[in-house]
Amino acid sequence: SQTIHQWPATLVQPVGSPLSLECTVEGTSNPNLYWYRQAAGRGLQLLFYSVGIGQISSEVPQNLSASRPQDRQFILSSKKLLLSDSGFYLCAWSVEDRSYNEQFFGPGTRLTVL
Amino acid sequence: GDSVTQMEGPVTLSEEAFLTINCTYTATGYPSLFWYVQYPGEGLQLLLKATKADDKGSNKGFEATYRKETTSFHLEKGSVQVSDSAVYFCALTLIKAAGNKLTFGGGTRVLVKP
Repeated sequence: SQTIHQWPATLVQPVGSPLSLECTVEGTSNPNLYWYRQAAGRGLQLLFYSVGIGQISSEVPQNLSASRPQDRQFILSSKKLLLSDSGFYLCAWSVEDRSYNEQFFGPGTRLTVL
Repeated sequence: GDSVTQMEGPVTLSEEAFLTINCTYTATGYPSLFWYVQYPGEGLQLLLKATKADDKGSNKGFEATYRKETTSFHLEKGSVQVSDSAVYFCALTLIKAAGNKLTFGGGTRVLVKP
């Protein structure tokens, strides 16, 4: 069966520090991968998605970047965190399907920037 | 563009009450529709889905019917429990959408009191 892992689960970082969040998927090949952010009490904002190794699409211009160094690994990074980067970050995956495009979500990383 | 609108919360109910969360959508093509649930501190889980008009998705006592004529996918449950307290997200995707992207509504927080 497929599983998705995110780490760390929680993170407290000072403003201006770098960030690296990691997401890995097991049990599937060539998945589409996604990073979402959920601000406190808000909905989901798609940040990046990737349809293959090294292929990254950015949905919203911002202080963050994403990379996909391996088929089942997706990394979210920042060189200098801002207070507004605080939130709950969710990774998700999906596989191409002609019927529907269900996405499966990881447990999330709660980031607090102080 | 594509969009999903769902009722704002919070919705506060007593145990065994009837729950309805309204969801309407606009889409440039023929979407598949989803309801996701997010329990406190966790990632999103798929609750149910429907891929064509008049389909009824159901799971854990929840139901939603794909109504193309009213572009709606309202979520219902006849008798809620305290354990149903969560945030519920309505979402759509278009077949062959680039990267299988989902469009989410803003989420509706539901609080069930004993």
